[in-house]
Amino acid sequence: GQNIDQPTEMTATEGAIVQINCTYQTSGFNGLFWYQQHAGEAPTFLSYNVLDGLEEKGRFSSFLSRSKGYSYLLLKELQMKDSASYLCAVLDSNYQLIWGAGTKLIIKP
Amino acid sequence: DAMVIQNPRYQVTQFGKPVTLSCSQTLNHNVMYWYQQKSSQAPKLLFHYYDKDFNNEADTPDNFQSRRPNTSFCFLDIRSPGLGDAAMYLCATSSNEGAVETQYFGPGTRLLVL
Repeated sequence: GQNIDQPTEMTATEGAIVQINCTYQTSGFNGLFWYQQHAGEAPTFLSYNVLDGLEEKGRFSSFLSRSKGYSYLLLKELQMKDSASYLCAVLDSNYQLIWGAGTKLIIKP
Repeated sequence: DAMVIQNPRYQVTQFGKPVTLSCSQTLNHNVMYWYQQKSSQAPKLLFHYYDKDFNNEADTPDNFQSRRPNTSFCFLDIRSPGLGDAAMYLCATSSNEGAVETQYFGPGTRLLVL
């Protein structure tokens, strides 16, 4: 079966750095996405990785290791508005998006 | 601005009373999706269209139907809503004409079944 695993919840402090991990087992791989979802709102696109390595975009970075079936999202200089759920999703061999359940990130002052 | 629009944002219906949710897009994307998302769960794909080709997920209940009359619009019909159908319904679009099929989401319609 296809499976995406990420922690259910994480807590971090404003101004700090947090790393949200995602491991996956899918039938084929055509890229991995990270989305941010605030409570009661739709997911918004953050990043896409298809090759191994780190992609940096401002305060957010995303890393991929295809051989390990592993990715992480790194958030720096945390702000209160970063409190949200972060969803990891993998595009499988049929170009279907397989979603994780999301990691709820709580930022404390 | 190019976007995905969903109406209404909140929908209240009665148990068993048919309801239709709508989605429109100005991105000119050829692929459209309907997802159901319940609290603290991953979005669950119900249907998707590649252009007018309809793809139904194997575990989507028959109670759910969809229509895509043209590129810009897509509808989700729930024929007889049950209490378990209360959820956020998300419409998304993507283009499979480029290298990356990023999905862009509308704001969602939250359905409440009384």
